[in-house]
Amino acid sequence: EAGVTQSPTHLIKTRGQQATLRCSPISGHTSVYWYQQALGLGLQFLLWYDEGEERNRGNFPPRFSGRQFPNYSSELNVNALELEDSALYLCASSLAGTGIEAFFGQGTRLTVV
Amino acid sequence: AQKITQTQPGMFVQEKEAVTLDCTYDTSDQSYGLFWYKQPSSGEMIFLIYQGSYDEQNATEGRYSLNFQKARKSANLVISASQLGDSAMYFCAMREVQAGTALIFGKGTTLSVSS
Repeated sequence: EAGVTQSPTHLIKTRGQQATLRCSPISGHTSVYWYQQALGLGLQFLLWYDEGEERNRGNFPPRFSGRQFPNYSSELNVNALELEDSALYLCASSLAGTGIEAFFGQGTRLTVV
Repeated sequence: AQKITQTQPGMFVQEKEAVTLDCTYDTSDQSYGLFWYKQPSSGEMIFLIYQGSYDEQNATEGRYSLNFQKARKSANLVISASQLGDSAMYFCAMREVQAGTALIFGKGTTLSVSS
């Protein structure tokens, strides 16, 4: 069974550009979570999607947005990139309603120059 | 106030010894879940163990066990017989079911295992 997959693995963008990160959950999982992990820091919650809807949002500016598609895959968009957005972006998925055993993808390393 | 507190920035242990990584949590929910993850230098987050707030028995998964003390709001991870491959960052996390939150993570503890 395939795990959570994220693409791309690495992404380099210049300040002011937009970045799009993608996540495919484990088959059967309907909830997708996005986290930002800046260098040396813990995971900061970004967004939670379930059944195509945004369920919760972390304390991030509106230029961080996303969506979940009918097949439960998800996209994270970061507009007007700033240097501080450089981080590892992790996606996790779980079965809706349980929250048990949220599995993570390998992450996308975003570098803003 | 922090929801998840991991007070040990770094821990050092010899191979084959047991080690306890501390985690305390803060919630007013009656229903919540507690998680531990391992993050090696490669960056992936590896799920280790889960404890539900209504579970009476401490969770165990192989060499990992979770010492759950509900009254003290404590969920320490115990790794028995440490191995060199256990060297990594370890994160404690909580999900509040009633509040409908996503996983909330602590700042992590770096574990170094030496031979």
